[in-house]
Amino acid sequence: DIQMTQSPPSLSASVRDRVTITCRASESISKYLNWYQQKPGKAPKLLIFAASSLQSGVPSRFSGSGSGTDFTLTISSLQPEDFATYYCQQSHSAPYSFGQGTKLEIK
Amino acid sequence: EVQLVESGGGLVQPGGSLRLSCAASGFTFSRYAMSWVRQAPGKGLEWVSVISGSGVSTYYADSVKGRFTISRDNSKNTVYLQMNSLRAEDTAIYYCAKDHYNSGRIAMIPDYWGQGTLVTVSS
Repeated sequence: DIQMTQSPPSLSASVRDRVTITCRASESISKYLNWYQQKPGKAPKLLIFAASSLQSGVPSRFSGSGSGTDFTLTISSLQPEDFATYYCQQSHSAPYSFGQGTKLEIK
Repeated sequence: EVQLVESGGGLVQPGGSLRLSCAASGFTFSRYAMSWVRQAPGKGLEWVSVISGSGVSTYYADSVKGRFTISRDNSKNTVYLQMNSLRAEDTAIYYCAKDHYNSGRIAMIPDYWGQGTLVTVSS
């Protein structure tokens, strides 16, 4: 089974900061990597799929990169509404695992 | 507008059974794989199961294999999760989600999610 490891587990940042979250797969998953944002009490929201494709309606300050085992989600200029928990997920093969999450908090 | 509405959650005793439903609208249901993802209280997301658009292909997490069964009725635009032999560790919010691509094959890229239904397993 493929294990997904995110870092850091939590992160404090300020509005307008540039933030990067990383996700590492235990084996190569090519570009089968997706990123989600979840706010308290809400369902997750798809941000990025196939490592770097921006989901429709998602602001362009969100971007993704990577392939193989190492991936990053970057928010170029944090906005107040971006404070949330972020998850990576591999869609390479079953079981389709998620990372443990990165909680992004206001500094 | 895509809508996914889960139902069927509730309180059940250990060893009991429950069937979750997810009613879909706003898209051609049979063209999309559908999945279930759960989240235990205060914890992260855990993938549970996925089914192809035709219903022929299904996959399960090891933690539920042999106990849970995913199915769909394309005439009713509904996907189901039959949960048997429930354990305390199955307590979670269960989300259904629609796959991103309309090929009917499983891509496991959930792009629309329901609001979730809470399952509590406790005596």
